[in-house]
Amino acid sequence: QVQLQESGPGLVKPSETLSLTCTVSGGSISSYYWSWIRQPPGKGLEWIGYIFSSGSSNYNPSLKSRVTISVDASKNQFSLKLSSVTTADTAVYYCARDNLQGIDYWGQGTLVTVSS
Amino acid sequence: EIVMTQSPATLSVSPGERATLSCRASQSVSSNIAWYQQKPGQAPRLLIYGASTRAAGIPARFSGSGSGTEFTLTITSLQSEDFAVYYCQQYNNWPPDTFGQGTKVEIK
Repeated sequence: QVQLQESGPGLVKPSETLSLTCTVSGGSISSYYWSWIRQPPGKGLEWIGYIFSSGSSNYNPSLKSRVTISVDASKNQFSLKLSSVTTADTAVYYCARDNLQGIDYWGQGTLVTVSS
Repeated sequence: EIVMTQSPATLSVSPGERATLSCRASQSVSSNIAWYQQKPGQAPRLLIYGASTRAAGIPARFSGSGSGTEFTLTITSLQSEDFAVYYCQQYNNWPPDTFGQGTKVEIK
């Protein structure tokens, strides 16, 4: 059973960079797409982007200038960096596995609050 | 970007009754949509992919239909554990994958 776990700071200051890591267990990170999705409190889901295990990535055009997703296959981890954050970036951030026919495994989510 | 519009925003249903949720795409997405269920404080769970294929372990009371721009998720004989928010997602034209705004199924 594949499991994903997000880790990283729960509080980030405005204008700084949000950094999260997702650790995948119970399966290899190879040969799948790995996504980041966020959900502002009380709102819907927003796809941030994904990375293939080889390192190729695709981002939401609305966030592309601020987002970097990277992968470390040796550690079975992938990471998200979102720069120049504002209060609008406050959300629960989920890491997930995308099999290109839906997102079949999700982490539990981690709340990141942007506040001074 | 393809816009996914779900209706209604809230659906009030009695236990044991049928719920019908709709999702409309702003342009054709073929059959490349998925449906998710999300309960408070939990991550979404994949219910349906390819518009009509149930994901592993999903009960048969959940069914999906449609193609092109109009899609439906039907839940027959609602159980107490089915009261939740449901999202559709298209993965035909990306980036980005886009989600609908959600339909909340509540107890009548």
